[in-house]
Parts: sequence; structure tokens; C-alpha cells
Amino acid sequence: EDKVVQSPLSLVVHEGDTVTLNCSYEVTNFRSLLWYKQEKKAPTFLFMLTSSGIEKKSGRLSSILDKKELFSILNITATQTGDSAVYLCAVEASNYQLIWGAGTKLIIKP
Amino acid sequence: KAGVTQTPRYLIKTRGQQVTLSCSPISGHRSVSWYQQTPGQGLQFLFEYFSETQRNKGNFPGRFSGRQFSNSRSEMNVSTLELGDSALYLCASSVTGAGYGYTFGSGTRLTVV
Repeated sequence: EDKVVQSPLSLVVHEGDTVTLNCSYEVTNFRSLLWYKQEKKAPTFLFMLTSSGIEKKSGRLSSILDKKELFSILNITATQTGDSAVYLCAVEASNYQLIWGAGTKLIIKP
Repeated sequence: KAGVTQTPRYLIKTRGQQVTLSCSPISGHRSVSWYQQTPGQGLQFLFEYFSETQRNKGNFPGRFSGRQFSNSRSEMNVSTLELGDSALYLCASSVTGAGYGYTFGSGTRLTVV
């Protein structure tokens, strides 16, 4: 059965810290891996990764995919209180079906 | 441009009742996917509609059904509500159904009492 596992499930850090969120997967017919940020209700898109070893960056956020070891990490440097959210990882299989992890709840303390 | 609109925003229903939720996608988006989100469970895929046809279906009981109209608007129906159906129901639209193009609505918070 296809599955996506995120760790940790929750994380509390102080402003300015660097955090690493993990996403491992076992999905047949892998097409891509996506990261989303969910602050209140509607998740918003962060990154899509399809190739191994190529880092995607957007400001203080970056992500990389390892297709051999079947995992991805999302890094956030110099965290701010506005980074507090649930971070969701999803893997897109064939036929556009997305398999989602349970999410990592990140709390940034001032 | 207008985003994905879900109505109603909040809903309280009694066990045994049925409910219909609505999702209006972004103009030009032909795919609408529905998800159930409960605390600690992540997003559980319900079904996806593309051009009025159900293209994918998750592992939910038959009490959960949906449809899509010719203008791409979609409805989801849950019959014989159970307490465990209390959740945030999210819909997402995209042009093709690929996750990269997903835009989520703000969801409908359903509480079953």
C-alpha cells in the first residue's frame, strides 16, 4: 500500500533557529513530491520535486529529494513566527493521485 | 482572479442527517478533488472529478458521493452522517489534476453532533 510518512509530527523551536522536516515515501509509479504549507485552512504550494539531488529554493526555504532512499527534506533557515504552520508532504502517483503525509506542525516561539 | 470557493464555511448537522458541500473551482480548471482532514490524519483523498467524470476514488464508504457539473462546479454529499464524519473538508482545483497546479479552497468545517 502506498504511504507517505512525515517526521517529526510536531516541532517547537525559537525564532532564528533552523529546522529540517522529513518526508519518506513508498509509492509505486512515483511522479513527483510536493510540499505545502497550511496556516489556517487552505494549504498553499511550496515546492514540487521530480529529480533527485536538485535543490529547490525560495527565500529561507529549501527542499531536496532523494529518489534512491525515497525521502525528501524541507529546510527552513532563520525561522520567523510567520513560519508557524503545518507543513504537508504529498507524493503524486500515476493518474494524478496524491498520497499525503499527516503533516508536521511547526511552532516558532518568539 | 477568483480563487476556489467552498460553501458553506461551517456546518453543524445531527447524526443520521445528510449534507451537501459545494466547491466552485478557478475558472478554466477542469479537475476538482475532495479531501477530508481530521487532526493528526493529514488529508484523506475522497475523490477527483475531471470534466464531469469521477476519475479517482479514495477508500471511503459509499455514504460519500460527489458529482461535477458542466461548469466544473462540484458537490460532495454525505448521507447518514456519523460522529466520525466531523472534519474539515477541502476541495482543490487544477487544470489537469496534477498536484503542482492545485489550488485549495478554505474548506467547510463540518461538525456532526
